Amino acid sequence: QQQVKQSPQSLIVQKGGISIINCAYENTAFDYFPWYQQFPGKGPALLIAIRPDVSEKKEGRFTISFNKSAKQFSLHIMDSQPGDSATYFCAALMDSNYQLIWGAGTKLIIKP
Amino acid sequence: DSGVTQTPKHLITATGQRVTLRCSPRSGDLSVYWYQQSLDQGLQFLIQYYNGEERAKGNILERFSAQQFPDLHSELNLSSLELGDSALYFCASSVSGVNEQFFGPGTRLTVL
Repeated sequence: QQQVKQSPQSLIVQKGGISIINCAYENTAFDYFPWYQQFPGKGPALLIAIRPDVSEKKEGRFTISFNKSAKQFSLHIMDSQPGDSATYFCAALMDSNYQLIWGAGTKLIIKP
Repeated sequence: DSGVTQTPKHLITATGQRVTLRCSPRSGDLSVYWYQQSLDQGLQFLIQYYNGEERAKGNILERFSAQQFPDLHSELNLSSLELGDSALYFCASSVSGVNEQFFGPGTRLTVL
Protein backbone atom coordinates (compact mmCIF):
# COMPACT_ATOMS: atom_id res chain seq x y z
CA GLN A 1 0.00 0.00 0.00
CA GLN A 2 2.99 2.24 0.42
CA GLN A 3 4.25 1.82 -3.14
CA VAL A 4 4.26 4.29 -5.95
CA LYS A 5 4.51 2.61 -9.34
CA GLN A 6 6.10 4.65 -12.13
CA SER A 7 6.14 3.97 -15.84
CA PRO A 8 7.76 3.80 -18.29
CA GLN A 9 11.25 2.97 -17.09
CA SER A 10 12.70 4.83 -20.05
CA LEU A 11 11.30 7.09 -22.73
CA ILE A 12 12.63 8.53 -25.97
CA VAL A 13 10.81 11.53 -27.42
CA GLN A 14 11.56 13.70 -30.43
CA LYS A 15 12.34 17.34 -29.84
CA GLY A 16 9.12 19.32 -29.78
CA GLY A 17 7.02 16.32 -28.79
CA ILE A 18 5.09 15.64 -25.61
CA SER A 19 6.69 13.48 -22.92
CA ILE A 20 4.30 11.67 -20.61
CA ILE A 21 5.31 9.81 -17.45
CA ASN A 22 2.75 8.04 -15.31
CA CYS A 23 2.53 7.10 -11.65
CA ALA A 24 -0.02 5.11 -9.68
CA TYR A 25 -0.51 4.74 -5.95
CA GLU A 26 -2.65 2.67 -3.63
CA ASN A 27 -2.79 4.55 -0.37
CA THR A 28 -5.56 7.14 -0.44
CA ALA A 29 -4.01 8.87 2.56
CA PHE A 30 -1.29 10.35 0.36
CA ASP A 31 -1.88 14.09 0.06
CA TYR A 32 1.17 15.56 -1.64
CA PHE A 33 2.55 14.43 -5.00
CA PRO A 34 5.81 15.96 -6.21
CA TRP A 35 7.86 15.32 -9.31
CA TYR A 36 11.63 15.56 -9.12
CA GLN A 37 14.10 15.99 -11.97
CA GLN A 38 17.62 14.61 -11.75
CA PHE A 39 20.50 15.27 -14.12
CA PRO A 40 23.46 12.86 -14.18
CA GLY A 41 25.79 13.38 -11.23
CA LYS A 42 23.41 15.83 -9.53
CA GLY A 43 20.89 15.59 -6.74
CA PRO A 44 17.18 15.52 -7.59
CA ALA A 45 15.41 18.87 -7.67
CA LEU A 46 11.72 19.58 -7.25
CA LEU A 47 10.08 20.26 -10.59
CA ILE A 48 6.40 20.59 -9.77
CA ALA A 49 4.01 19.27 -7.13
CA ILE A 50 0.28 18.89 -6.63
CA ARG A 51 -2.20 18.28 -3.83
CA PRO A 52 -5.27 16.10 -4.46
CA ASP A 53 -7.74 18.97 -4.23
CA VAL A 54 -6.89 20.00 -7.82
CA SER A 55 -6.90 17.93 -10.99
CA GLU A 56 -4.21 19.77 -12.88
CA LYS A 57 -1.29 22.07 -12.22
CA LYS A 58 0.74 23.79 -14.89
CA GLU A 59 4.11 25.48 -14.62
CA GLY A 60 5.51 26.56 -17.96
CA ARG A 61 5.91 23.50 -20.17
CA PHE A 62 5.35 21.11 -17.26
CA THR A 63 1.89 19.91 -16.23
CA ILE A 64 0.77 17.46 -13.57
CA SER A 65 -2.55 15.75 -14.24
CA PHE A 66 -4.13 14.15 -11.19
CA ASN A 67 -6.92 11.57 -11.22
CA LYS A 68 -8.01 10.98 -7.64
CA SER A 69 -10.57 8.28 -8.43
CA ALA A 70 -8.06 6.26 -10.47
CA LYS A 71 -5.27 6.97 -7.98
CA GLN A 72 -3.00 8.05 -10.79
CA PHE A 73 -1.00 11.13 -11.62
CA SER A 74 1.15 11.99 -14.57
CA LEU A 75 3.74 14.48 -15.73
CA HIS A 76 3.41 16.01 -19.17
CA ILE A 77 6.30 17.89 -20.71
CA MET A 78 5.12 19.95 -23.67
CA ASP A 79 7.47 20.96 -26.50
CA SER A 80 10.15 18.66 -25.08
CA GLN A 81 13.70 19.93 -25.47
CA PRO A 82 17.09 18.16 -25.37
CA GLY A 83 17.76 19.99 -22.10
CA ASP A 84 14.84 18.09 -20.56
CA SER A 85 16.80 14.85 -20.90
CA ALA A 86 17.06 13.65 -17.32
CA THR A 87 15.64 11.10 -14.90
CA TYR A 88 12.25 11.98 -13.48
CA PHE A 89 10.92 10.66 -10.19
CA CYS A 90 7.38 10.85 -8.92
CA ALA A 91 6.71 10.61 -5.21
CA ALA A 92 3.89 10.68 -2.70
CA LEU A 93 3.64 11.83 0.88
CA MET A 94 1.26 11.67 3.76
CA ASP A 95 1.54 14.83 5.82
CA SER A 96 1.13 12.72 8.94
CA ASN A 97 3.92 10.36 7.99
CA TYR A 98 6.64 12.76 6.83
CA GLN A 99 8.22 10.15 4.53
CA LEU A 100 8.21 10.56 0.77
CA ILE A 101 7.51 7.33 -1.09
CA TRP A 102 9.42 7.40 -4.39
CA GLY A 103 8.70 5.91 -7.77
CA ALA A 104 11.48 3.98 -9.51
CA GLY A 105 12.29 6.78 -11.95
CA THR A 106 11.98 7.33 -15.69
CA LYS A 107 15.00 8.05 -17.84
CA LEU A 108 13.87 10.55 -20.48
CA ILE A 109 15.87 11.17 -23.63
CA ILE A 110 14.85 13.93 -26.01
CA LYS A 111 16.25 13.40 -29.50
CA PRO A 112 17.20 16.55 -31.41
CA ASP B 1 22.59 25.45 -5.70
CA SER B 2 20.09 23.97 -3.23
CA GLY B 3 21.84 25.29 -0.13
CA VAL B 4 22.49 21.77 1.15
CA THR B 5 26.17 20.90 1.40
CA GLN B 6 27.72 17.46 1.53
CA THR B 7 31.29 16.42 2.13
CA PRO B 8 33.30 14.79 0.82
CA LYS B 9 32.31 14.86 -2.84
CA HIS B 10 34.14 11.62 -3.59
CA LEU B 11 35.35 8.87 -1.32
CA ILE B 12 37.35 5.81 -2.28
CA THR B 13 37.97 3.17 0.33
CA ALA B 14 38.48 -0.55 0.78
CA THR B 15 36.16 -3.32 1.88
CA GLY B 16 35.82 -3.65 5.63
CA GLN B 17 36.56 0.01 6.26
CA ARG B 18 34.37 2.63 7.92
CA VAL B 19 33.53 6.07 6.52
CA THR B 20 31.57 9.11 7.64
CA LEU B 21 29.57 11.28 5.28
CA ARG B 22 28.60 14.76 6.36
CA CYS B 23 25.63 16.93 5.50
CA SER B 24 24.75 20.51 6.35
CA PRO B 25 21.10 21.36 5.71
CA ARG B 26 19.78 24.62 4.34
CA SER B 27 19.57 27.40 6.85
CA GLY B 28 16.32 27.04 8.78
CA ASP B 29 15.61 23.46 7.74
CA LEU B 30 15.08 21.13 10.69
CA SER B 31 14.65 17.88 8.83
CA VAL B 32 17.45 15.87 7.21
CA TYR B 33 17.09 12.80 5.03
CA TRP B 34 19.65 10.32 3.74
CA TYR B 35 19.27 8.41 0.47
CA GLN B 36 21.33 5.85 -1.37
CA GLN B 37 21.36 5.71 -5.16
CA SER B 38 23.19 2.90 -6.88
CA LEU B 39 24.19 3.13 -10.55
CA ASP B 40 21.12 3.74 -12.72
CA GLN B 41 18.88 2.95 -9.78
CA GLY B 42 16.19 4.84 -7.98
CA LEU B 43 16.46 6.54 -4.65
CA GLN B 44 16.49 4.30 -1.61
CA PHE B 45 15.40 6.16 1.50
CA LEU B 46 17.66 5.37 4.43
CA ILE B 47 16.70 7.52 7.38
CA GLN B 48 15.21 10.85 8.43
CA TYR B 49 16.00 13.11 11.36
CA TYR B 50 13.98 16.04 12.61
CA ASN B 51 15.56 18.52 15.00
CA GLY B 52 17.96 15.93 16.34
CA GLU B 53 15.51 13.06 16.68
CA GLU B 54 15.12 10.06 14.39
CA ARG B 55 11.75 10.39 12.68
CA ALA B 56 11.58 7.67 10.03
CA LYS B 57 13.66 4.71 9.03
CA GLY B 58 13.81 3.13 5.62
CA ASN B 59 16.00 0.44 4.13
CA ILE B 60 19.02 1.21 6.25
CA LEU B 61 21.42 -1.63 6.95
CA GLU B 62 22.50 -2.38 10.50
CA ARG B 63 26.06 -1.55 9.43
CA PHE B 64 24.90 2.00 8.74
CA SER B 65 24.01 4.59 11.33
CA ALA B 66 23.27 8.28 11.36
CA GLN B 67 22.77 11.16 13.71
CA GLN B 68 21.78 14.79 13.65
CA PHE B 69 23.69 17.16 15.88
CA PRO B 70 22.43 20.20 17.83
CA ASP B 71 23.63 22.52 15.05
CA LEU B 72 21.41 20.39 12.73
CA HIS B 73 24.18 19.00 10.59
CA SER B 74 24.02 15.27 10.09
CA GLU B 75 26.47 12.44 9.62
CA LEU B 76 25.95 9.05 8.03
CA ASN B 77 28.34 6.38 9.22
CA LEU B 78 28.93 3.34 7.04
CA SER B 79 30.96 0.50 8.52
CA SER B 80 32.26 -2.91 7.45
CA LEU B 81 31.97 -1.66 3.90
CA GLU B 82 31.20 -4.08 1.10
CA LEU B 83 31.59 -3.71 -2.66
CA GLY B 84 27.82 -3.36 -2.95
CA ASP B 85 27.85 -0.24 -0.82
CA SER B 86 29.40 1.67 -3.71
CA ALA B 87 26.80 4.28 -4.59
CA LEU B 88 25.85 7.94 -4.53
CA TYR B 89 24.67 9.02 -1.11
CA PHE B 90 22.40 12.03 -1.03
CA CYS B 91 21.37 14.17 1.84
CA ALA B 92 18.23 16.29 1.61
CA SER B 93 16.67 18.79 3.96
CA SER B 94 13.28 20.35 4.43
CA VAL B 95 11.67 22.79 6.79
CA SER B 96 9.51 20.33 8.62
CA GLY B 97 9.20 17.05 6.78
CA VAL B 98 6.01 17.77 4.92
CA ASN B 99 7.54 20.22 2.53
CA GLU B 100 9.77 20.18 -0.49
CA GLN B 101 13.02 18.32 0.04
CA PHE B 102 16.16 20.06 -1.16
CA PHE B 103 18.93 17.71 -2.18
CA GLY B 104 22.63 18.16 -1.80
CA PRO B 105 25.13 17.34 -4.56
CA GLY B 106 25.81 13.89 -3.13
CA THR B 107 28.85 11.91 -2.05
CA ARG B 108 30.09 9.28 -4.46
CA LEU B 109 31.40 6.32 -2.48
CA THR B 110 33.56 3.74 -4.19
CA VAL B 111 34.45 0.60 -2.26
CA LEU B 112 37.35 -1.35 -3.78
